[in-house]
Amino acid sequence: DTAVSQTPKYLVTQMGNDKSIKCEQNLGHDTMYWYKQDSKKFLKIMFSYNNKELIINETVPNRFSPKSPDKAHLNLHINSLELGDSAVYFCASSRKSFYEQYFGPGTRLTVT
Amino acid sequence: KNEVEQSPQNLTAQEGEFITINCSYSVGISALHWLQQHPGGGIVSLFMLSSGKKKHGRLIATINIQEKHSSLHITASHPRDSAVYICAGQIQGAQKLVFGQGTRLTINP
Repeated sequence: DTAVSQTPKYLVTQMGNDKSIKCEQNLGHDTMYWYKQDSKKFLKIMFSYNNKELIINETVPNRFSPKSPDKAHLNLHINSLELGDSAVYFCASSRKSFYEQYFGPGTRLTVT
Repeated sequence: KNEVEQSPQNLTAQEGEFITINCSYSVGISALHWLQQHPGGGIVSLFMLSSGKKKHGRLIATINIQEKHSSLHITASHPRDSAVYICAGQIQGAQKLVFGQGTRLTINP
């Protein structure tokens, strides 16, 4: 069983579209995260959710919105996609905030 | 300048060599994470430490809070250790992670 799964693995879309990336963890963890890895492979945390409460919101455009229907899921919605949003997005989870994290396989988003 | 700096940025070594990757930070942190990103892109958490030393197999991580420095050591390196190693500092009291730029390690047979 995959501990942290993301769908889709690849996403190609045009500028201006709205898209979602789904993330699910079956580890019973309390905290989930979204990270962005740019073309230079630099990781940056975007959001984290702890027991369905947003506890971090970095300097991310409000076109990005995390949505957590339950403790096991943290989806990422992106509105009005821009070329600069092209990156690999990783979901992760941990037992408690910033404990050892388990990462999903990543979603490569390409905006054309 | 990044709050978390890693050195070297690239490291190539022969199988069996002892490897050291360094991580220095300029802010107060409550814990430091070491991550490994495989060539295929997957990320694995190796260590989370706030003091002293931790060991897992051939990997050892140390941290010196006063000197704001952490090291990741690999003993008896193997080609399968080839990956990007990333350190990340958990900012004290801020619920925030700041990442280093990564160290690309290549171990040749």
